[in-house]
Amino acid sequence: DTAVSQTPKYLVTQMGNDKSIKCEQNLGHDTMYWYKQDSKKFLKIMFSYNNKELIINETVPNRFSPKSPDKAHLNLHINSLELGDSAVYFCASSQGGQLNTEAFFGQGTRLTVV
Amino acid sequence: AQSVAQPEDQVNVAEGNPLTVKCTYSVSGNPYLFWYVQYPNRGLQFLLKYITGDNLVKGSYGFEAEFNKSQTSFHLKKPSALVSDSALYFCAVRPRSGSARQLTFGSGTQLTVLP
Repeated sequence: DTAVSQTPKYLVTQMGNDKSIKCEQNLGHDTMYWYKQDSKKFLKIMFSYNNKELIINETVPNRFSPKSPDKAHLNLHINSLELGDSAVYFCASSQGGQLNTEAFFGQGTRLTVV
Repeated sequence: AQSVAQPEDQVNVAEGNPLTVKCTYSVSGNPYLFWYVQYPNRGLQFLLKYITGDNLVKGSYGFEAEFNKSQTSFHLKKPSALVSDSALYFCAVRPRSGSARQLTFGSGTQLTVLP
């Protein structure tokens, strides 16, 4: 049973398109995250939701919009895709009230914009 | 602001030898510290964490890490490396208080264990 699952695993799309990445966790966690891993493998937080509320919104273009329909889901929608958006996007979850707990990560979505 | 530094992009070690992957951090107060491993085309997997107490933390797959408050370091170690340990390792920090719940990661260290 996959704890944090993302779909799709691979996404190839043209510049200017709009795409979404879905994430679901079955761990009962109340906090979910989106991280971006660039070509140099550097991981940067993009967003964090706690109980469906946005609590972290790092300096990310407003073309990126997260949506959390419930505590178990955090989707990422990207408008007007650009070449520089090509990266691996990781969803993660943790129990937000317990800062000493580890986060669990999905397998990642490799986005390639051509 | 919190930050994590992994000074080595690449660490090579022979199979059977001990390995060390270095990590230093900068954060107000005493943080929670974590190590994660990423195998090719996979997500991050949790290895171990420091919360409080004993400075030597033991984790998965025979890995351990030593918390050193005076040096603000949390180096990852293993007494005897395996070829299968070859992967990308990330150190991460989270403050003990405040609204920031996210993990802040270092830049990663690619470990290669040579047969």
